[in-house]
Amino acid sequence: GDSVTQMEGPVTLSEEAFLTINCTYTATGYPSLFWYVQYPGEGLQLLLKATKADDKGSNKGFEATYRKETTSFHLEKGSVQVSDSAVYFCALPGGGADGLTFGKGTHLIIQP
Amino acid sequence: DVKVTQSSRYLVKRTGEKVFLECVQDMDHENMFWYRQDPGLGLRLIYFSYDVKMKEKGDIPEGYSVSREKKERFSLILESASTNQTSMYLCASSSGTGQVYGNQPQHFGDGTRLSIL
Repeated sequence: GDSVTQMEGPVTLSEEAFLTINCTYTATGYPSLFWYVQYPGEGLQLLLKATKADDKGSNKGFEATYRKETTSFHLEKGSVQVSDSAVYFCALPGGGADGLTFGKGTHLIIQP
Repeated sequence: DVKVTQSSRYLVKRTGEKVFLECVQDMDHENMFWYRQDPGLGLRLIYFSYDVKMKEKGDIPEGYSVSREKKERFSLILESASTNQTSMYLCASSSGTGQVYGNQPQHFGDGTRLSIL
């Protein structure tokens, strides 16, 4: 079945560091791919998405490119801030009619 | 913006009680979902609904049921609460029908942190 693998962390970085959170997937066909973010005490928010191969999703300084050759959708940001501390989830539509399949989440901690 | 509202942020119940978690969305979305989130396990789908009065089991439906009497409201029911159902519960909604909906983003509520004593 469809699945998502992402680094779990926690990932600890200093402010202004470069961020990469890896995400790879297995899926039938070419589904849309999503990154969600969960700030402490809140639900998940859609951060960005890409709907087809080579698409780049971007939002709030974060970017991710849909790479079908490597079945990857890595999340990047050039200069992180303390306010980016959160849990990040990579996701894709599940097979059939079963909602989204999520990775287990990557806890990101940014230190001043 | 889509608003998904869960009735409680925190809830404490006792073993054996019947527990209702309510979720309302205001964007006329066809699809609604209930997940639970546990440390180290990520999000797991409990049930979903793609239409009024329709429901489908997700990955972990045991011990739960759902109700969707109106399009905007999706209720999760713990028939007889147990301590292993202590968790964060997240409701979500999305638009689209048929094979289209799978590629639509889901919009989440803030979650209900449920403790069963």
